[in-house]
Amino acid sequence: QSALTQPASVSGSPGQSITISCTGTSSDVGGYNSVSWYQQHPGKAPKLMIYDVNNRPSGVSNRFSGSKSGNTASLTISGLQAEDEADYYCSSYTSSSPYVFGTGTKVTVL
Amino acid sequence: EVQLVESGGGLVQPGGSLRLSCAASGFTFINYAMNWVRQAPGKGLEWVSAISGSGSSTYYAASVKGRFTISRDNSQNTLYLQMNSLRAEDTAVYYCAKKRIGSYTFDYWGQGTLVTVSS
Repeated sequence: QSALTQPASVSGSPGQSITISCTGTSSDVGGYNSVSWYQQHPGKAPKLMIYDVNNRPSGVSNRFSGSKSGNTASLTISGLQAEDEADYYCSSYTSSSPYVFGTGTKVTVL
Repeated sequence: EVQLVESGGGLVQPGGSLRLSCAASGFTFINYAMNWVRQAPGKGLEWVSAISGSGSSTYYAASVKGRFTISRDNSQNTLYLQMNSLRAEDTAVYYCAKKRIGSYTFDYWGQGTLVTVSS
């Protein structure tokens, strides 16, 4: 099972919106509404930000939103803040594994 | 408050064994599937293994199948990962993660324990 493809880095200025993509196949992202997004600050454990494509757990800011089209899922962070600077990983249920993670994206707030 | 606390990591020689533990609290442990996820130094996340709430079903990544064994003690609210025939490429921080009911997602994670495989 190959990792889902994410851009290595995305950057934006405070207040701007950025979008991180997560591309898989019809056997994972495209086949199931089971995409999640995790935020990880350096030296810390991952934190769930989005589950089931577009659902936010309690306590997660509504500046974070998710979507999916075909084999590509996306995480959008609106009103970018300094505290959003972190690594972000997508994951999906897959018919073969049952989980696969993305390659990870480093978000930099300029 | 949900808490997951891993322990058991350390330095081990190639070919050696190690058992990781994850002590859970703040939720009804037996009701939830649990997972191990690892992260090699400077690398991304890799799902390792999963176990159902009862312990009757287990799943493994191809990279560890036949070498690692996941188990749980529901009377002690503890998750385990027995790791045998360890290789240098198994060096990573190992996280235990709780699966959310009805969703293929991990809603709580422990702080991780570092396993280093080196001679």
